[in-house]
Amino acid sequence: GESVGLHLPTLSVQEGDNSIINCAYSNSASDYFIWYKQESGKGPQFIIDIRSNMDKRQGQRVTVLLNKTVKHLSLQIAATQPGDSAVYFCAETAILTGGGNKLTFGTGTQLKVEL
Amino acid sequence: DSGVTQTPKHLITATGQRVTLRCSPRSGDLSVYWYQQSLDQGLQFLIHYYNGEERAKGNILERFSAQQFPDLHSELNLSSLELGDSALYFCASSAYRGIGNTIYFGEGSWLTVV
Repeated sequence: GESVGLHLPTLSVQEGDNSIINCAYSNSASDYFIWYKQESGKGPQFIIDIRSNMDKRQGQRVTVLLNKTVKHLSLQIAATQPGDSAVYFCAETAILTGGGNKLTFGTGTQLKVEL
Repeated sequence: DSGVTQTPKHLITATGQRVTLRCSPRSGDLSVYWYQQSLDQGLQFLIHYYNGEERAKGNILERFSAQQFPDLHSELNLSSLELGDSALYFCASSAYRGIGNTIYFGEGSWLTVV
């Protein structure tokens, strides 16, 4: 069945270092992948997305890499800042019968930025 | 601020009761989604509405129902509440249906069943 899993539940990094958050997915039919950031008490916030026909996409301080061969997704955050402390979720999406779509979320990785 | 508005933010109710959670999508968004977040289940997809029509169902219990109105706002109705229904309920919206449309989440409605 579908599942999206994260390798590490908690990641601690020093301020200014780069962070890499990893995610494995199992549904090879997934077309679209998204990273969300969730701060305590808030809803998931869109960070960056990537389509299955791409292997890399860059945003502001963030890069998402997609390796379809091993079904692996990663989020790289450059020069990690205290404000980056949050839980990060990867999610995959596919079109369902009837034209609907749903996000299947991973379990999340807690990123802690140490000063 | 994602532009998705959910009310109420917090709700405490007793077992067996019924509650309604309300969602206003971002201006112009036609798709509305509902998700449930609990400690043991993580973020789970419940249902997707597009322009008033149900498009996809996920792990939504029969005691739960939703609808999207002509003005595109949506309501999630939870009935015969059980302790295990305590969770954060998120509404999300996107411009259209289909992949590639960024899905924006609201701040959630925290439901506590006692």
